[in-house]
Amino acid sequence: AQSVTQLDSQVPVFEEAPVELRCNYSSSVSVYLFWYVQYPNQGLQLLLKYLSGSTLVKSINGFEAEFNKSQTSFHLRKPSVHISDTAEYFCAVSKTNFGNEKLTFGTGTRLTIIP
Amino acid sequence: NAGVTQTPKFQVLKTGQSMTLQCAQDMNHEYMSWYRQDPGMGLRLIHYSVGAGITDQGEVPNGYNVSRSTTEDFPLRLLSAAPSQTSVYFCASSSRTGVSTEAFFGQGTRLTVV
Repeated sequence: AQSVTQLDSQVPVFEEAPVELRCNYSSSVSVYLFWYVQYPNQGLQLLLKYLSGSTLVKSINGFEAEFNKSQTSFHLRKPSVHISDTAEYFCAVSKTNFGNEKLTFGTGTRLTIIP
Repeated sequence: NAGVTQTPKFQVLKTGQSMTLQCAQDMNHEYMSWYRQDPGMGLRLIHYSVGAGITDQGEVPNGYNVSRSTTEDFPLRLLSAAPSQTSVYFCASSSRTGVSTEAFFGQGTRLTVV
């Protein structure tokens, strides 16, 4: 069975400061890794994904995550946050061939940006 | 471009009542699924379908039924609602062809069972 751990349930950060949201997973097989973002009263949107290849993946809005197989981690980082980054962030894994099915989610990290 | 549409957005049920949460997608996706989101527990998979006429159970299927008669629709039925089913429900769809590996989520249905 696979599981995802997001140790930080809430992370307050000052605007323009850097942030790291931690994600660790456990799986006995290769997995696909995702970060989804949920803005208030909305559904989830894909932020970035790791399928294979380069272990550093980036989103269009400045977030990046690095797949670390030895530490089974996929931490999300941003060097300078903005008010608009306020949201809940979910790390997820899938071990299916299609990569986006039967997702196992972490419990989420609520990112609050302080002006 | 509607994407994944869920109805209703909000619902209050009494214990024992039944209802159907609707989910429709217009992207011709083969795969559709239902998740429930509870505080401190993330999203958990209820049921999923890989195509019309094919459904299977996820992590927390008890108390829920699904069917998939068309590619577009994947309704979730609660036959006898219980307070433990109070949650936010999300429908998602994704393609099994091409290179896209993104699941598209609806806006959610907030269900309260009293």
